[in-house]
Amino acid sequence: DAGITQSPRHKVTETGTPVTLRCHQTENHRYMYWYRQDPGHGLRLIHYSYGVKDTDKGEVSDGYSVSRSKTEDFLLTLESATSSQTSVYFCAITPGTGGNEQFFGPGTRLTVL
Amino acid sequence: GIQVEQSPPDLILQEGANSTLRCNFSDSVNNLQWFHQNPWGQLINLFYIPSGTKQNGRLSATTVATERYSLLYISSSQTTDSGVYFCAGDTGTASKLTFGTGTRLQVTL
Repeated sequence: DAGITQSPRHKVTETGTPVTLRCHQTENHRYMYWYRQDPGHGLRLIHYSYGVKDTDKGEVSDGYSVSRSKTEDFLLTLESATSSQTSVYFCAITPGTGGNEQFFGPGTRLTVL
Repeated sequence: GIQVEQSPPDLILQEGANSTLRCNFSDSVNNLQWFHQNPWGQLINLFYIPSGTKQNGRLSATTVATERYSLLYISSSQTTDSGVYFCAGDTGTASKLTFGTGTRLQVTL
């Protein structure tokens, strides 16, 4: 257990509303990641963080923003949700300084109507 | 970015059978992991294996880094092995994983 929790675990929202997903870790890991999983695509990286206030884009970052104001929390925000953002969102951590094994949270299922 | 191909895309086995899953990468990877996603959606780490061979019970994995592929072996399969198996790798620092599209395994009685 890598000590990763995600909240909420399930959410249904309407197009155009803002949504924030939270990833919380208890082990002070430096690296945190947000991925989305869609049928036929595996998991794809949205954004990642390599420290407090240090974030960078991944493969599918359009329409998403992130923030990391403290080590243990990494927030993913959809400023104006669209139906194409209906997905399962996974948070992950890497314990080391990069280049190490990655561990995933339980996921958040988001439905945008 | 790198491309990750997994084969076969789908696999149905009878309980007790053995299987080999393959993962090909378009470029050399620094990190390589195998995951099992169970029917409840949980991603379970199987192996962290940038090179060489590892074994864990009925599962083993081999990565040939110079030829850019990895194999996952499942022996004496059980119904609890059902789910989707993913491989993933990254080519730089920060462990930004690129995933394959997975192999969906169904083990029947």
